[in-house]
Amino acid sequence: KAGVTQTPRYLIKTRGQQVTLSCSPISGHRSVSWYQQTPGQGLQFLFEYFSETQRNKGNFPGRFSGRQFSNSRSEMNVSTLELGDSALYLCASSPRQGPPHTYGYTFGSGTRLTVV
Amino acid sequence: DAKTTQPNSMESNEEEPVHLPCNHSTISGTDYIHWYRQLPSQGPEYVIHGLTSNVNNRMASLAIAEDRKSSTLILHRATLRDAAVYYCILRDVDSGNTPLVFGKGTRLSVIA
Repeated sequence: KAGVTQTPRYLIKTRGQQVTLSCSPISGHRSVSWYQQTPGQGLQFLFEYFSETQRNKGNFPGRFSGRQFSNSRSEMNVSTLELGDSALYLCASSPRQGPPHTYGYTFGSGTRLTVV
Repeated sequence: DAKTTQPNSMESNEEEPVHLPCNHSTISGTDYIHWYRQLPSQGPEYVIHGLTSNVNNRMASLAIAEDRKSSTLILHRATLRDAAVYYCILRDVDSGNTPLVFGKGTRLSVIA
């Protein structure tokens, strides 16, 4: 069973540019969540998509956006990049069926974004 | 979700048992206790979860205090591959499909 695939693994962008990251969930999983991980703030929730609709949103500025396609693949976009956006971006897939305690999340290895 | 408190770091010798504590004094009756760990250069991975009874799986055991205000993740025989950050997370059954909220976790070092 293939795991969660995130592309690219590494990315270097210049301040002011925009970037798009991709996540392919485990086959059959319909929920994709995105997290930002930095040394200072740890793992912070960005947003979750389920059945092509955003279901939950964290406390991030509008420069951070995402979408989900009919095949459950998801992309997140960051516009007008700032130096502070340098982080590891992780996505997690889950079946999101039934009570929350009955299912776990499977994370990808992340995309390391460096803004210079 | 209720908050959890974990030590910042712990150290263990290889092949010895490790007990990773988690305090959750404000836990509600509908909170499940979940553990995830994050190995170096990887995303977090699910370890185990439970409600009231102790739980075992191939990765670890979860011991839950009788009053549920604390729990302990037990690695029966630590290996170098168990060096990771371990996160204790509460998930409320009644709160709907809310996201996982990670704290700082415990960084476990395993010494050969």
